[in-house]
Amino acid sequence: GAGVSQSPSNKVTEKGKDVELRCDPISGHTALYWYRQRLGQGLEFLIYFQGNSAPDKSGLPSDRFSAERTGESVSTLTIQRTQQEDSAVYLCASSNRAWSSGSYNEQFFGPGTRLTVL
Amino acid sequence: TQLLEQSPQFLSIQEGENLTVYCNSSSVFSSLQWYRQEPGEGPVLLVTVVTGGEVKKLKRLTFQFGDARKDSSLHITAAQTGDTGLYLCAGQGFQKLVFGTGTRLLVSP
Repeated sequence: GAGVSQSPSNKVTEKGKDVELRCDPISGHTALYWYRQRLGQGLEFLIYFQGNSAPDKSGLPSDRFSAERTGESVSTLTIQRTQQEDSAVYLCASSNRAWSSGSYNEQFFGPGTRLTVL
Repeated sequence: TQLLEQSPQFLSIQEGENLTVYCNSSSVFSSLQWYRQEPGEGPVLLVTVVTGGEVKKLKRLTFQFGDARKDSSLHITAAQTGDTGLYLCAGQGFQKLVFGTGTRLLVSP
């Protein structure tokens, strides 16, 4: 497909377990973003990858959260020792243009992974 | 820290009514986007406004960017049940978008 895909679509885990969420961006998109969305709320920025630059990790809520991206392709978001407050929908988005002063970019979102920590 | 506050948080109306959603900040943004998100899906871009005072129309939806580029509004005329969803504004910050708190709209037949 041509859109952003995420897997799994749903993940139920037990408190204390580690989880890995995957994002496949649109081919050719240089920028990739991860967001967290708690039930009924807006988007909380987590991390941003842009090409080969160092990622912007300023939104990661704790050191239990980490993310990697291989080149300009797949990204994985890892949450270690999950807690109940980690329950949310995790959204990935990609964009085809590098940020530059005065520019704007459209982000294309995947359907999200709904994470439930019991 | 750049923040975008949306109001109202939740709006429940009947089909055919008009409504306005507001997006406010104390920060200036170079551009502002509006997204709509339906249940189980990611947000989808509706419009981008880039010039202070700009007004854009998308069928029954009218978007306005404030003169000072700190606020925006979305007006829907004659709402339809298909307009139901979560509306998010997003301002262009440094290297990333800053998303608003969201407005959940429910349009009943």
